[in-house]
Amino acid sequence: AQTVTQSQPEMSVQEAETVTLSCTYDTSESDYYLFWYKQPPSRQMILVIRQEAYKQQNATENRFSVNFQKAAKSFSLKISDSQLGDAAMYFCAYRSVTQGGSEKLVFGKGTKLTVNP
Amino acid sequence: AAGVIQSPRHLIKEKRETATLKCYPIPRHDTVYWYQQGPGQDPQFLISFYEKMQSDKGSIPDRFSAQQFSDYHSELNMSSLELGDSALYFCASSISTGGNEKLFFGSGTQLSVL
Repeated sequence: AQTVTQSQPEMSVQEAETVTLSCTYDTSESDYYLFWYKQPPSRQMILVIRQEAYKQQNATENRFSVNFQKAAKSFSLKISDSQLGDAAMYFCAYRSVTQGGSEKLVFGKGTKLTVNP
Repeated sequence: AAGVIQSPRHLIKEKRETATLKCYPIPRHDTVYWYQQGPGQDPQFLISFYEKMQSDKGSIPDRFSAQQFSDYHSELNMSSLELGDSALYFCASSISTGGNEKLFFGSGTQLSVL
């Protein structure tokens, strides 16, 4: 079974600075998807960024980028120019490449990010 | 754009009562997932349905059951409620397109068991 580990329960960053959230995972599969989800106090689960394992190029979405190291099974999230609205719980998640309704997500325990003004 | 709709948003029940949570996926989405997120916890997969058939099962108690109807909406039925069932229950939907699906989450139903 796949597992996802987020070793940082809490992180803080100054507004406009850069912060990196860590995530490692364990799998025997060669193809899969990795995600970062943001959960603000409203508890809505919001997709931040997605990475396909077969792609070597790291995904980027505006101020959000990942450092995907497949051999090391590492998938960190970098947030540049941090904003107050980035404060939230961030979950790293893994999904197998299957079809027909078995694409469940396996989540890490989450990292609570605080942005200081 | 239409999103995943969950009802009710909040639900308060007593121990040993039953509860029914509803999920309306995005139109044309054929797959529904249910997740349970306890206080301060990560979401845990409960069950999924593809084309109205159960497709995968996670750590769902025997007291819970779920189904997907002909209009693709899904209901999670919870009986003999326990205090530990208090959690945020997410529904997510996707459309099966060969492994590249994105999951879209609803806003969740907050269940409180007193």
